[in-house]
Amino acid sequence: GAVVSQHPSWVICKSGTSVKIECRSLDFQATTMFWYRQFPKQSLMLMATSNEGSKATYEQGVEKDKFLINHASLTLSTLTVTSAHPEDSSFYICSARRPGQGGFEELFFGEGSRLTVL
Amino acid sequence: QKEVEQDPGPLSVPEGAIVSLNCTYSNSAFQYFMWYRQYSRKGPELLMYTYSSGNKEDGRFTAQVDKSSKYISLFIRDSQPSDSATYLCAMTGAGNNRKLIWGLGTSLAVNP
Repeated sequence: GAVVSQHPSWVICKSGTSVKIECRSLDFQATTMFWYRQFPKQSLMLMATSNEGSKATYEQGVEKDKFLINHASLTLSTLTVTSAHPEDSSFYICSARRPGQGGFEELFFGEGSRLTVL
Repeated sequence: QKEVEQDPGPLSVPEGAIVSLNCTYSNSAFQYFMWYRQYSRKGPELLMYTYSSGNKEDGRFTAQVDKSSKYISLFIRDSQPSDSATYLCAMTGAGNNRKLIWGLGTSLAVNP
């Protein structure tokens, strides 16, 4: 099946530093990728939609200057958490949408990246 | 009122039991209904999806959609300890740029 690779799976950083998370679509070209945030025992919260070759579309309440998204190729999207603070500690998950037939486009998820900001 | 409601549980059942997981929704425009399984500290994986109303079966899993009641279900027969995970429902409308709306997820534990 299709595979989405996310890296790193776990990162600890100091407050004020920036962290980059990569999301790669290994089996198909993904013109659209999504970045989610998930708190413990909570559902997925969509942060932004990443479109190849154009600016990301951020959800309401998500600071685009803090969460920089770059989708430079059809197989790679990156999320950079800038000037990280402890409240940014969370589980970040990316997904890639594979164009399908018949109207349904399946989302494939990465393994997630757990960020801990000290 | 949230667009999608899902009881977070937790739900604990003995091995071999039939499990019923449910979601309700309010947006009648939803056309695709999905069930994802998420193991601890992993990304979700798609179990099944259904278009519009009806049933769909895949092995031990059956998905049902009742659009008239705005109610969807996932049944797991002969549940196994390996089914222990969080099950999230998700749904979306048709057309381009549709957004996936997620339920809270139900935590399931199948005890041997």
